[in-house]
Amino acid sequence: KAGVTQTPRYLIKTRGQQVTLSCSPISGHRSVSWYQQTPGQGLQFLFEYFSETQRNKGNFPGRFSGRQFSNSRSEMNVSTLELGDSALYLCASRSQGAALSSYEQYFGPGTRLTVT
Amino acid sequence: AQKVTQAQTEISVVEKEDVTLDCVYETRDTTYYLFWYKQPPSGELVFLIRRNSFDEQNEISGRYSWNFQKSTSSFNFTITASQVVDSAVYFCALYPYSWGKFQFGAGTQVVVTP
Repeated sequence: KAGVTQTPRYLIKTRGQQVTLSCSPISGHRSVSWYQQTPGQGLQFLFEYFSETQRNKGNFPGRFSGRQFSNSRSEMNVSTLELGDSALYLCASRSQGAALSSYEQYFGPGTRLTVT
Repeated sequence: AQKVTQAQTEISVVEKEDVTLDCVYETRDTTYYLFWYKQPPSGELVFLIRRNSFDEQNEISGRYSWNFQKSTSSFNFTITASQVVDSAVYFCALYPYSWGKFQFGAGTQVVVTP
């Protein structure tokens, strides 16, 4: 089974621009979560999508948004980029369901965003 | 409040030494799940293990072993006979069922030198 894929892997943007990151989950996984990882704040939860609906969200400003498509692929958008948005953005998918294994998240390689 | 504490920021060992990573969690949920992930320099988090709050059985997988103790709210991870390939950042995570989100610890950097 193919793992979680994220595109692009690296991105350089200028302050004030916007960016869209993409995530394709493991086949059959319907839940996709996004995380921001920085040296200072560690791994922080952004939001989770399931069946095209945002199910949960973390404490991030409204500039951070996401969506999920009917094929479970997800995109994350950051508008009006700030220098502090420079980070590794990780996507994770899980199967969702009654099985205990549905709580296991599998991560993609991440998108390294640099804002200058 | 949901919280995961990994007090050790960095651990350095020489190859073949054992290393234990501590993880202490806080939650009021009676149903929760605990996890360990490995993040090598490439950046991708690799799932290692899941533990359920109602199953305190310890587990061993090759050189890896995990000790779950609800009485002390700890879920520690031991690497036996460490190897250079074990060098990575290791994260402990908590998923309280009613909270519905994953809470990660700050991570512990393990450096194994030959």
